[in-house]
Amino acid sequence: AQSVAQPEDQVNVAEGNPLTVKCTYSVSGNPYLFWYVQYPNRGLQFLLKYITGDNLVKGSYGFEAEFNKSQTSFHLKKPSALVSDSALYFCAVRGFQKLVFGTGTRLLVSP
Amino acid sequence: DTGVSQDPRHKITKRGQNVTFRCDPISEHNRLYWYRQTLGQGPEFLTYFQNEAQLEKSRLLSDRFSAERPKGSFSTLEIQRTEQGDSAMYLCASSPATSGRALGHEQYFGPGTRLTVT
Repeated sequence: AQSVAQPEDQVNVAEGNPLTVKCTYSVSGNPYLFWYVQYPNRGLQFLLKYITGDNLVKGSYGFEAEFNKSQTSFHLKKPSALVSDSALYFCAVRGFQKLVFGTGTRLLVSP
Repeated sequence: DTGVSQDPRHKITKRGQNVTFRCDPISEHNRLYWYRQTLGQGPEFLTYFQNEAQLEKSRLLSDRFSAERPKGSFSTLEIQRTEQGDSAMYLCASSPATSGRALGHEQYFGPGTRLTVT
């Protein structure tokens, strides 16, 4: 069965510093990987996806993610964090017709 | 706003009552999904529709839960005889389905309906 793991419950970073939110996956076959962000009392907003092609995927709000097949990872990155990036981030993998989500990582960006 | 909409945003009900939620997907999307999210967890898949056909249901979807999408547009999720364990955020999502590329499409989520069962 398809699954993802987000090993960090929370990531703290100072504004202006680079950030990384980690995700590893387990799939049979080719992975279709996604990152979503969730603000308080809101639904999920799509950030980016990896389907095939370049291992570095660029998405919304300056976020990017690096797909690494040998390490089965799909880490979310941003070169310079903003306080407004503070939110809950979910990694997901396509499992047949549905998305299978990780448990989420809370990102806190301090001023 | 042409995104996914859900109604109501919040619902408080007493244990044993029935509740119904509505989801209006993005108009050109023919796939519609329901997920449930509890505190501290990621969303968990409940069921999905392609047009009006319900094609997959999770084991999470007990016989107290029923979902419909009668005309392939909006969908309803009903929970009968609610229990305190049903308290959660219920999320709806939609996506287009393009032959041969459906797996690559992201899903667009609505704001969710937060259910509290007292």
